[in-house]
Amino acid sequence: DSGVTQTPKHLITATGQRVTLRCSPRSGDLSVYWYQQSLDQGLQFLIQYYNGEERAKGNILERFSAQQFPDLHSELNLSSLELGDSALYFCASSVVPQTLGDYGYTFGSGTRLTVV
Amino acid sequence: EDQVTQSPEALRLQEGESSSLNCSYTVSGLRGLFWYRQDPGKGPEFLFTLYSAGEEKEKERLKATLTKKESFLHITAPKPEDSATYLCAVLPRYNQGGKLIFGQGTELSVKP
Repeated sequence: DSGVTQTPKHLITATGQRVTLRCSPRSGDLSVYWYQQSLDQGLQFLIQYYNGEERAKGNILERFSAQQFPDLHSELNLSSLELGDSALYFCASSVVPQTLGDYGYTFGSGTRLTVV
Repeated sequence: EDQVTQSPEALRLQEGESSSLNCSYTVSGLRGLFWYRQDPGKGPEFLFTLYSAGEEKEKERLKATLTKKESFLHITAPKPEDSATYLCAVLPRYNQGGKLIFGQGTELSVKP
């Protein structure tokens, strides 16, 4: 157990639907990162939050949004889902975003999203 | 544009057959280079951080090295349990947000 908790582990939904993925960071970590992993794209950075504020944004689609709450958990919302959104979605956390220290990120076990 | 390229894409070894994985990077100032191991259906697991050319780090059968343009992950006398995808990532110096740029990974298979 890495200490980063992601729920649900698996999600199957239909095209056009909306889903919410949840992440609880490791205790003491203030920064949360969301990544998408598909077979052809590898790990792609989506968005980062630090202590409740958006810190960096990657190639995140307008249909996707995220937020970090006061208790530091984060949610990634995916709407108007398309078949191509099927992927593994990972959350990671770190203490200090600027340097990542000697241990980089700590990743959760991911949410596997299947859009049918 | 910052970029990370890993080779080979896949590597099959016999148990005990040592080899190396390559990670070539292009980045405007390197703050750190990270190696991760990922098992199927699981999140990446941190292995090493390297900060400057010439640095080396070891863990069991794995040894990571860094030059100004690439990093190698050397696997000595691998065992079947070393089978996994190995990911390399860089943290650019200018990056204020901690965003890691990942390579596509090398899928390692070690047969007994």
